[in-house]
Amino acid sequence: EAGVAQSPRYKIIEKRQSVAFWCNPISGHATLYWYQQILGQGPKLLIQFQNNGVVDDSQLPKDRFSAERLKGVDSTLKIQPAKLEDSAVYLCASSFLRDRSYEQYFGPGTRLTVT
Amino acid sequence: GNSVTQMEGPVTLSEEAFLTINCTYTATGYPSLFWYVQYPGEGLQLLLKATKADDKGSNKGFEATYRKETTSFHLEKGSVQVSDSAVYFCALSGGYNKLIFGAGTRLAVHP
Repeated sequence: EAGVAQSPRYKIIEKRQSVAFWCNPISGHATLYWYQQILGQGPKLLIQFQNNGVVDDSQLPKDRFSAERLKGVDSTLKIQPAKLEDSAVYLCASSFLRDRSYEQYFGPGTRLTVT
Repeated sequence: GNSVTQMEGPVTLSEEAFLTINCTYTATGYPSLFWYVQYPGEGLQLLLKATKADDKGSNKGFEATYRKETTSFHLEKGSVQVSDSAVYFCALSGGYNKLIFGAGTRLAVHP
């Protein structure tokens, strides 16, 4: 079974530029998540989709971050304009229900450096 | 609110030593608990989980028991190998099944 795919793997941009990340979840997984992992910290949820609807975006900085999930499958996360503090790894995950809990499977992440 | 606290690293051990990484949590309700592992250059992988009190999750020689009375989910392994060197994250499932992670504990195992 193919895992969660993300691209690009690495991105370097200057502050105030824009950037977009792409995620393709595991086939059949209805729930998709975007996390931000700052160096030395655990991942923090930015936004969660159920099919193509937003379930939780309470931690998404909506003045600069946006996300969409096309037809309930692929998703894109955009930052515009970027700030230095956005330097982090952006992780995409998808999940399904197994043994009474939702197991999340993570992609390899996109490492963003804002200079 | 919900939160997870892990012991700070790095933890440095010799091969075949016993490993414990402490994890405590604060949560409303009865969350599921997880340990994820991040090997160098790779993404997060689910290591084990427990869905209710007194459950023991196990995988690849690692174990953790869901202790409701002490709100803990400590990770243990009887004999670590160099290949276990990684960052380990404790997590709980919050509202809408989102994961709330601890800060991670880096483990380095030397031959």
